[in-house]
Amino acid sequence: DTGVSQDPRHKITKRGQNVTFRCDPISEHNRLYWYRQTLGQGPEFLTYFQNEAQLEKSRLLSDRFSAERPKGSFSTLEIQRTEQGDSAMYLCASSSGTQAGQPQHFGDGTRLSIL
Amino acid sequence: QKEVEQDPGPLSVPEGAIVSLNCTYSNSAFQYFMWYRQYSRKGPELLMYTYSSGNKEDGRFTAQVDKSSKYISLFIRDSQPSDSATYLCAMTRRGNKLVFGAGTILRVKS
Repeated sequence: DTGVSQDPRHKITKRGQNVTFRCDPISEHNRLYWYRQTLGQGPEFLTYFQNEAQLEKSRLLSDRFSAERPKGSFSTLEIQRTEQGDSAMYLCASSSGTQAGQPQHFGDGTRLSIL
Repeated sequence: QKEVEQDPGPLSVPEGAIVSLNCTYSNSAFQYFMWYRQYSRKGPELLMYTYSSGNKEDGRFTAQVDKSSKYISLFIRDSQPSDSATYLCAMTRRGNKLVFGAGTILRVKS
């Protein structure tokens, strides 16, 4: 049972560029979550999917952010026109979701650095 | 005021000590409570998971939830240098969106 996999581990880009991150959840986990973590803070919820349906989005997810999970397996998070404030660790988590309150398991994140 | 409050530390203890980590929260609707451990440049790793009030023990770790006081704790017995990490409490109403504390940095000195 492999864990949650995220790619790339580190992304460095210039302000104004678009970036895309990928998350592969634990196999057969039908719920997938994205969080953002800045230095010295706990992760903050961005959005989550149950299968391919995006069920909730945080107000933190501005219109420059878009997430997809087209076939209910892997997910992508895209940030358009990146800004300095987007520098953070982007974490993906998954859970089985067959019963209420199943624990979420996290990947090691993608660290985004905006130059 | 944040929904979940957690002392950022750092907390420094000698090897073998009992460590107590705590969080308070304001939303009485939270039902599921978790503790995660996070090493530098890694993702959070689930340590303990409890539903509603009560205690749960797993090896050297004990989690306590007191919903009447809106207070949760994690105890680590016989602490080891490898326990040095950031400990994050997290909670949720229905098991979807997790709300985290800021994390407590723990340093166990050998």
